[in-house]
This record gives sequence, structure tokens and C-alpha cells, in this order.
Amino acid sequence: QVQLQQWGAGLLKPSETLSLTCAVYGGSFSGYYWSWIRQPPGKGLEWIGEINHSGSTNYNPSLKSRVTISVDTSKNQFSLKLSSVTAADTAVYYCARTPHYYDSSGRRRRYMDVWGKGTTVTVSS
Amino acid sequence: QSVLTQPPSASGTPGQRVTISCSGSSSNIGSNTVNWYQQLPGTAPKLLIYSNNQRPSGVPDRFSGSKSGTSASLAISGLQSEDEADYYCAAWDDSLIVFGGGTKLTVL
Repeated sequence: QVQLQQWGAGLLKPSETLSLTCAVYGGSFSGYYWSWIRQPPGKGLEWIGEINHSGSTNYNPSLKSRVTISVDTSKNQFSLKLSSVTAADTAVYYCARTPHYYDSSGRRRRYMDVWGKGTTVTVSS
Repeated sequence: QSVLTQPPSASGTPGQRVTISCSGSSSNIGSNTVNWYQQLPGTAPKLLIYSNNQRPSGVPDRFSGSKSGTSASLAISGLQSEDEADYYCAAWDDSLIVFGGGTKLTVL
């Protein structure tokens, strides 16, 4: 049974860089993409981006200039860095396994089927 | 303002059937599959439906999904108290995954 364990600094000051890591236990790492998603307090979900084992990434265009997602296949881990944080980046951050597959018409599809428990990140001066 | 539109709230009594709608556009729901997530209070989201109408292993068949054009729906039959949660639809849109704003389901 695959499990995702995530960690990182929970309190940041404005302009600092958010850094989170997610470790994958109990399942294949190389056969999937891996996503980061966040949820501001009392609000909905926002997809940040994804990466696969070879380092291929897709980012949310609204965050792309500040986001870096990286992978360490030797440890079955992937990481998120978000630079120049502000109070608007305060949220619970989740990591999730993101299977990609192709439908009968050859179009790529994806969903997030295993989630980490979430890390609360607060940005405050 | 979410890209996909969901009603903010829904409710039903135990045993009832409830549906939650999700409206999008040709660039997201109209040309991609829809996934649904359930988020119980204080927990991480859980995949409920993928590829419009597929249930992952372990999800009760009380939950079903459908899609038509640029809209999708999640139906819950035989409503139970443990179904009280937030529900989110999601789809690929050009270059990112977009979510609905979420629907808070209350079991009366």
C-alpha cells in the first residue's frame, strides 16, 4: 500500500522560500507523475504542478515563475520550492500520486489517487 | 473564482439521493475527463471518481459520476451521515489541472 509522507518548514516570513519534500513508500516511484496541490484556509484546492521520475514537469502558469519541483529517484522523493512567498501563499500543501494514462483516442488523462496528509505553511512577518 | 463551477452547498436526509453539478467549458470538461474528490473535515482529499464515471477500488457503488458536454455530475444514493464532506470536481484545462470551488454536503 503506497503511502506519502511529507514534511517541511511550517512558518515563513514574507519573501522567503517555501521548501517541502514528499517521500513515497511502498510502491513504484518511476511509473507515475507526482503532484503538489495547496488549499488556503477555508478555500478550495489549487494545483501547483507535477513531475515524473525523469524530471519532466508541468506547472500551473499562475505560479510558474516562482515554483520549482524536483525529484530524487535514489530516495523516492520529490520536492517543492516556492520563492518570494507572501501571506497569499499561506495554505495546507499536499503531495499526491498522479497516474497518467491514454484513452482509446490517444489523449492523455490524469488523476490524483494517493494523497499525503498535508503540511500547513503559514507566511507571516 | 474557480474555473469549474459548483454549487457551494447541498443537503439531503439519510437514504436520499443527492447530485452535485460541475460546470465548465470546452477547454476543460468539454475535452477532458472529470475526476471527483471527497474531503472529510480536517483530512486530505480522497479520489472518489476518475475518468468521468470510474470508481477506485474501495469506493462504494453509492457514488457515481457522469459527464455530458461541458458539465459533469456526482450522484450519491442512499445518503449516509459519513458522506458529510466537501466535494470537488477537477479536470485538465490546456496546461493545468483546474478544480471547482467545492460543494459542502450536509446530511440533515
